[in-house]
Order: sequence, then C-alpha cells, then structure tokens
Amino acid sequence: AQTVTQSQPEMSVQEAETVTLSCTYDTSESNYYLFWYKQPPSRQMILVIRQEAYKQQNATENRFSVNFQKAAKSFSLKISDSQLGDTAMYFCAFMKRGMDTGRRALTFGSGTRLQVQP
Amino acid sequence: DAGVIQSPRHEVTEMGQEVTLRCKPISGHDYLFWYRQTMMRGLELLIYFNNNVPIDDSGMPEDRFSAKMPNASFSTLKIQPSEPRDSAVYFCASSDQGNTEAFFGQGTRLTVV
Repeated sequence: AQTVTQSQPEMSVQEAETVTLSCTYDTSESNYYLFWYKQPPSRQMILVIRQEAYKQQNATENRFSVNFQKAAKSFSLKISDSQLGDTAMYFCAFMKRGMDTGRRALTFGSGTRLQVQP
Repeated sequence: DAGVIQSPRHEVTEMGQEVTLRCKPISGHDYLFWYRQTMMRGLELLIYFNNNVPIDDSGMPEDRFSAKMPNASFSTLKIQPSEPRDSAVYFCASSDQGNTEAFFGQGTRLTVV
C-alpha cells in the first residue's frame, strides 16, 4: 500500500513571496504519478501540477514547480510570486502507473493549509 | 462540458434515514470515483468504477454504504441507515483511460443529526 505524508498542517506566506510545501511518500512501485491538488474555500478540487516518476525533469506550470527527488521519495511544491488567490488547502497525491484498471485511484496526503497574507 | 455534477450540494438528514448522493461524470470518461473527506481521516477512496463496473470497493466503510453505476452517465452512493459519523463531504470524480487527471465535482456536504 502507498502512503503520502504532508508534515506541514499550516503555512503562511506574504503576497509576492515564494513558499515551498513538502510531501513525502512511500511505495514499492517503480512507475507512478504524483500530483498536487488545490482546494480553495469553494471546496472544488483543482489539479495544480503533475509529475511522472519516470521523468527526471521537474514539472512546472507557470508559478508552480516541483522538486521531485525519487530516491528520497520526496515531492515538494514551490509557489513563486504568491497571490491571494493561492490561499487554499493543498493536497499531495499518488497514483500507480499502468494500464491495469486497478491502478487508477488516488492516495492523498492530509493536506497543508496555505494562507497568503496581503 | 459542465464538468462533474453532483447533487445535492448540501444534505441534512436525521440519523436512521436513507441518503442518496448522485453524480454525473464528464461525458466520455470511463472511470468514476467516490471519495469522502473528513477532518479526522482526510480524503479517502470509497469505491471506483471502470466502464460502469466496480473495480475497488475496499474503502466502503460497511454494509450501510452501497454504490451503483447503472450507465455511463450516472452513479449513486447510498447510505442506509445513516449515522452521525457519516457526516462528511462526499466527492465524485471522473477520468478517462488516456489521461491521469481526475476531475472532481463540487462535493456534497452531508450532515447527519
């Protein structure tokens, strides 16, 4: 079974600053995907960024980037130039890779509540 | 596409009553997931379907919970009888075989009093 750990229950950052959210995971799989999902106060779960474990290059999406360390099983999210709209819960998630239909569910971490201060 | 549609958005019911949550996945998606979110347990998978067939229901808490997917455009999650500990936000999500992204609905906040 997979486990995902987010050790920072809450974080705060000033607008325009940079913040890094931590995530570690444990798995015996060699091929998998990692995700960061954002949940704003509206409750909607929104995909922020995705990393394929077989790719060494870290994924980036505009102001969002990850630091993926496969050997250390670490997957942190960096938010640059933080904006008020980034205030939300952030969830790290794991999914096995493969065409088997039994490999498609997400395992989530407990979340980090990020508050962006004006 | 309007995205994943869940109904109702909010449900308040009395202990012992039957509750039915509904979900319409994105057209063309062949995976449908039900997740539950609570403060104590976070986001946990209850059950998921592929092409309307249940693939993994190991997260369904007990026999009081049941889920069906009679066709590709509709799924229900039923709790009978409901208990206060079932109070949570229930999310439905869908995805397709060729894309790892799961698209979530707005969730149903269930309160059992």
